[in-house]
Amino acid sequence: AQTVTQSQPEMSVQEAETVTLSCTYDTSESDYYLFWYKQPPSRQMILVIRQEAYKQQNATENRFSVNFQKAAKSFSLKISDSQLGDAAMYFCAYRRKSNSGGGADGLTFGKGTHLIIQP
Amino acid sequence: DAGVTQSPTHLIKTRGQQVTLRCSPISGHKSVSWYQQVLGQGPQFIFQYYEKEERGRGNFPDRFSARQFPNYSSELNVNALLLGDSALYLCASSYRLAGGYEQYFGPGTRLTVT
Repeated sequence: AQTVTQSQPEMSVQEAETVTLSCTYDTSESDYYLFWYKQPPSRQMILVIRQEAYKQQNATENRFSVNFQKAAKSFSLKISDSQLGDAAMYFCAYRRKSNSGGGADGLTFGKGTHLIIQP
Repeated sequence: DAGVTQSPTHLIKTRGQQVTLRCSPISGHKSVSWYQQVLGQGPQFIFQYYEKEERGRGNFPDRFSARQFPNYSSELNVNALLLGDSALYLCASSYRLAGGYEQYFGPGTRLTVT
């Protein structure tokens, strides 16, 4: 079974600085997706960025970028120019592309990293 | 456009009771997934439905069941509630079943079992 590990329960960064959140995962699959989700205190989970395992180029969405190391099974999130609105729980998640039954698995989440932005 | 909606927002039940949670997906989305998020943890996958059929199931006991209706809305049922079932239950919808399609999450239903 696949597992996702986020080793940083909490991270703190000064506003306008850069922070990197770590994520490692374990899978025997070769084709899968990795995601970073943000969950603000209002609780609604929002997709931040997505990476397909077969794409070597690291995904980027505005101030958010990832460092995807497939061989090391590492998927870190870098937030540049941190803003107060970035404060939230951040979850790394994995999803196999498809299963043998023709369906798709649910997302497997890590335990999350609580990101604090210091003004 | 309306996002994923869930009802009720909060719910308090007693051990042994049964509960039904409801979810309406984004218009046009045919897949609905359910997740359980215990306080301080990441969400755990319970079920995925697509075109009214169960297409994925996580490691949850048979007390948990779900269904999807012709309008693609969904219900999650939990029987014989235990204290450990207290959690935020999240519903997510996506356009298609395949793994790469973004799942859009609702605000969740907070279930407290006393």
